[in-house]
Amino acid sequence: KNEVEQSPQNLTAQEGEFITINCSYSVGISALHWLQQHPGGGIVSLFMLSSGKKKHGRLIATINIQEKHSSLHITASHPRDSAVYICAVGAGTASKLTFGTGTRLQVTL
Amino acid sequence: NAGVMQNPRHLVRRRGQEARLRCSPMKGHSHVYWYRQLPEEGLKFMVYLQKENIIDESGMPKERFSAEFPKEGPSILRIQQVVRGDSAAYFCASSPTNRNNYGYTFGSGTRLTVV
Repeated sequence: KNEVEQSPQNLTAQEGEFITINCSYSVGISALHWLQQHPGGGIVSLFMLSSGKKKHGRLIATINIQEKHSSLHITASHPRDSAVYICAVGAGTASKLTFGTGTRLQVTL
Repeated sequence: NAGVMQNPRHLVRRRGQEARLRCSPMKGHSHVYWYRQLPEEGLKFMVYLQKENIIDESGMPKERFSAEFPKEGPSILRIQQVVRGDSAAYFCASSPTNRNNYGYTFGSGTRLTVV
């Protein structure tokens, strides 16, 4: 079992839909990151969380430390949101990140 | 603030050649990490360096791969005698501290193709 599990693996939505991507992890962490990667593109950091909830524009990220679970929500989705969303965790004071396999999101008109 | 700069963006090498990938961290960041993304796979940690020191190389293949972060200049990931299986995207990240909960920033990656 991977230390970081994401679901779903693939997601297709229509423009305007509310989207949720889930991430579960099995290790103690100091921080959880949500990242975005467009095809052939670089990696953009969306959020870094250690507790609670963060919001940036149409994106919302939440984390439940007790349940070892985080969600990334996209409100009013748009085709430009089409990308791979990756959950990554850092454990303790170790600096390296462990990544989920990503959720491929396609938003259609 | 130019962010984390990686070059080249794309690199093509023939089997047996050497590949050198460069990473300049963000200004003020002294911690550099290299990750590899094989086709259709997730990102995997390779190595963590500070200036002139390798802190954690637990993800580096035992042979042909090496990394350095000299006192002056960018961090270099070197792959000797490349093979087709080395074809991947290599990402660098940097941070100002040894904790991953502050200022962790990724570069745009170098896509290595071995022919």
